Amino acid sequence: RKEVEQDPGPFNVPEGATVAFNCTYSNSASQSFFWYRQDCRKEPKLLMSVYSSGNEDGRFTAQLNRASQYISLLIRDSKLSDSATYLCVVNQAGTALIFGKGTTLSVSS
Amino acid sequence: EPEVTQTPSHQVTQMGQEVILRCVPISNHLYFYWYRQILGQKVEFLVSFYNNEISEKSEIFDDQFSVERPDGSNFTLKIRSTKLEDSAMYFCASEAFEMGNTIYFGEGSWLTVV
Repeated sequence: RKEVEQDPGPFNVPEGATVAFNCTYSNSASQSFFWYRQDCRKEPKLLMSVYSSGNEDGRFTAQLNRASQYISLLIRDSKLSDSATYLCVVNQAGTALIFGKGTTLSVSS
Repeated sequence: EPEVTQTPSHQVTQMGQEVILRCVPISNHLYFYWYRQILGQKVEFLVSFYNNEISEKSEIFDDQFSVERPDGSNFTLKIRSTKLEDSAMYFCASEAFEMGNTIYFGEGSWLTVV
């Protein structure tokens, strides 16, 4: 069973659309959760941490459901510059980050 | 903004050769990592390093790999005898005070083994 699973996409959406990505993780001991963004052949960059209460950063909203071991990312009012691969990432305390394979988003005009 | 720097950005090497990838972590960071990403695949953890020793390693990090911090600034990954399947982007990362803080990634070293 894969540790972190994501729908690979691609998600092709027009500018202004709302798009949601889902992620499930297998290790119930996971304690920290993140969404990273990765542009083609670039390094992963932290988009936002994900908290149990849910959190929002501008057009981005992240949700965590520990009971279902499920994480989501919602992007509202998509911009062309949002085109990238979005990586779901988890870890337990004191261990390395475990990455999902990523979901590719393509926003078109 | 402080950054993690990696050299070389791209290296082509023949199978069986030794490769050293170099990283300069952010200066006040204490935890260092190497990850790799094979083209089209996910980012995979290789090794973490703290207090001048390996703190965790994955099953990928076998005897052909080694890490060291020779001079207190550089953090290196050595691959002793490269194989074709070692072709990947290798990312160095560093973290400040505790595990769970933000991890900063370098831009990566793209290794091609031919």
